[in-house]
Amino acid sequence: DAGVIQSPRHEVTEMGQEVTLRCKPISGHNSLFWYRQTMMRGLELLIYFNNNVPIDDSGMPEDRFSAKMPNASFSTLKIQPSEPRDSAVYFCASQSTGRFNSPLHFGNGTRLTVT
Amino acid sequence: GNSVTQMEGPVTLSEEAFLTINCTYTATGYPSLFWYVQYPGEGLQLLLKATKADDKGSNKGFEATYRKETTSFHLEKGSVQVSDSAVYFCALILAGTALIFGKGTTLSVSS
Repeated sequence: DAGVIQSPRHEVTEMGQEVTLRCKPISGHNSLFWYRQTMMRGLELLIYFNNNVPIDDSGMPEDRFSAKMPNASFSTLKIQPSEPRDSAVYFCASQSTGRFNSPLHFGNGTRLTVT
Repeated sequence: GNSVTQMEGPVTLSEEAFLTINCTYTATGYPSLFWYVQYPGEGLQLLLKATKADDKGSNKGFEATYRKETTSFHLEKGSVQVSDSAVYFCALILAGTALIFGKGTTLSVSS
């Protein structure tokens, strides 16, 4: 089991550029979550999918953020245009939907720096 | 609403000291409770969980008991090691919701 795979591990970009973060969940997991981690705000849920369908996107900061899950094995989080305040570590996690309280499995995150 | 409050860090201890990290929650239903741990440069890993009142979750010498009467899930370890240095997150989940985390508590253990 390769675990949840995120890419890239680090991303440095200039303000105004488009950024795409990628996630491959654990095979067979039906739920996928995107979290953002900052020192000031801790871990914030951005959006989560169940069976590739977005269930709750109320945490997405604004229209500059969008997320897709075109199939069960891939998801993207896009920021366009990026701003310095988007600098954070972005985590993807997946969960088996056998039970609602199954543990989440996290990737190692993408550290985004916007200059 | 649903929320988790955990003690502010950092917590600094000497090796073999006793550890307690306090966690309390507010929930509109009957949550399951978790502790996750994050080592430097890594994602979060499940440390332990409890799904009903009076359940005790345990793993790697860490324990936490689900206390419904005090809405608490405090993390304890009898003798910490340098390798336990990490950030610890308390979390809850309810049916139909995503996992809700506390702000995290940084633990630093020195030899």
